[in-house]
Amino acid sequence: EAQVTQNPRYLITVTGKKLTVTCSQNMNHEYMSWYRQDPGLGLRQIYYSMNVEVTDKGDVPEGYKVSRKEKRNFPLILESPSPNQTSLYFCASSSQRERVNTQYFGPGTRLTVL
Amino acid sequence: GESVGLHLPTLSVQEGDNSIINCAYSNSASDYFIWYKQESGKGPQFIIDIRSNMDKRQGQRVTVLLNKTVKHLSLQIAATQPGDSAVYFCAETLAFASKLTFGTGTRLQVTL
Repeated sequence: EAQVTQNPRYLITVTGKKLTVTCSQNMNHEYMSWYRQDPGLGLRQIYYSMNVEVTDKGDVPEGYKVSRKEKRNFPLILESPSPNQTSLYFCASSSQRERVNTQYFGPGTRLTVL
Repeated sequence: GESVGLHLPTLSVQEGDNSIINCAYSNSASDYFIWYKQESGKGPQFIIDIRSNMDKRQGQRVTVLLNKTVKHLSLQIAATQPGDSAVYFCAETLAFASKLTFGTGTRLQVTL
């Protein structure tokens, strides 16, 4: 089944404790992206990647890191999480052979930073 | 996902009626516009898109209208069903494979 998976789905952590949210897609997509979703603000892009070893900042990259060492994986790293990073996070992917706008989203990761 | 919808405008529609969800986009240079549907507890799902050189596009039970003069996008859902209840987002993008910018969303509630 074609899908985007994220782990963990739920995470409660404390300020300053490094964490990684994994994202993996099995559709051989070139393009991957991370979003955060907050009440009243909609979906905001954090980082995106056009292909392996190619990443770029979205609208709200501060406090986040990403890497794209393999085509299928695009982990989101919070080196020193803070409470304002409490949010619902989505990973998405799409193929450059298709329309870029047909992004497939993962199920989401709800992060709480205390 | 319920907390995401706390501050959203809400459209209530009776089952069988047509729904119209509106969106004002920000960048007059945007090339593509997309509508997504997000059901509770799930990630957004692609519904339909439209290029900036078109003003109307139809899908199955859905139609997207684009008015570039006033930077306005709308999604029309015909014969609205209970399964259409969700939050709907519009998104815009500048060029192929560039980042998407999403609107804040509208919650559609379908009443029986």
